[in-house]
Amino acid sequence: DADVTQTPRNRITKTGKRIMLECSQTKGHDRMYWYRQDPGLGLRLIYYSFDVKDINKGEISDGYSVSRQAQAKFSLSLESAIPNQTALYFCATSDLNLRQGTDTQYFGPGTRLTVL
Amino acid sequence: GESVGLHLPTLSVQEGDNSIINCAYSNSASDYFIWYKQESGKGPQFIIDIRSNMDKRQGQRVTVLLNKTVKHLSLQIAATQPGDSAVYFCAENLNQAGTALIFGKGTTLSVSS
Repeated sequence: DADVTQTPRNRITKTGKRIMLECSQTKGHDRMYWYRQDPGLGLRLIYYSFDVKDINKGEISDGYSVSRQAQAKFSLSLESAIPNQTALYFCATSDLNLRQGTDTQYFGPGTRLTVL
Repeated sequence: GESVGLHLPTLSVQEGDNSIINCAYSNSASDYFIWYKQESGKGPQFIIDIRSNMDKRQGQRVTVLLNKTVKHLSLQIAATQPGDSAVYFCAENLNQAGTALIFGKGTTLSVSS
């Protein structure tokens, strides 16, 4: 979805390096998420943010940190990259609709990260 | 443990056939479910959703069925086309105002001509 962009799209780095993945959205959604995807394991939630002042750990937050710089921007950092963080990373946004009871997430194109 | 899963990791069908992709969930408190399609090299794309107060919802060529008694969700694709080839994920939300989605592992649908 072009409304959710991720940079970079591909990154190769070395063990121990600090890496930042960035996500921007033009949907005007309050909620943003970071997932990683590994073969056979589906999508696993790393961190999520329901508004600019809200940060929550997901299922696999160890080794990661996030920053919600603005409503439209949510970045993911790997403080000291390790090889088992090699994966496909997705950012998503959603807008809770209480009247309909829905909270559909819209995903970016993904960042392929390789840690050597 | 994983809350949401799919019965089969792969499904192969012929073009024109109807496809049924299944998903079992374990948390009876879940009240919102979504099906996503992920094509190679792309992010997951929303297909259709359903609230727990519904049993069935139809979209364009797709139907989602929810059986709360046995905690089962299915996605039916009518007249499957080669462009439907992708990985399909179901996801659940425990409550509409709280936690984020929990995804299953996915089913790879292959459509042959």
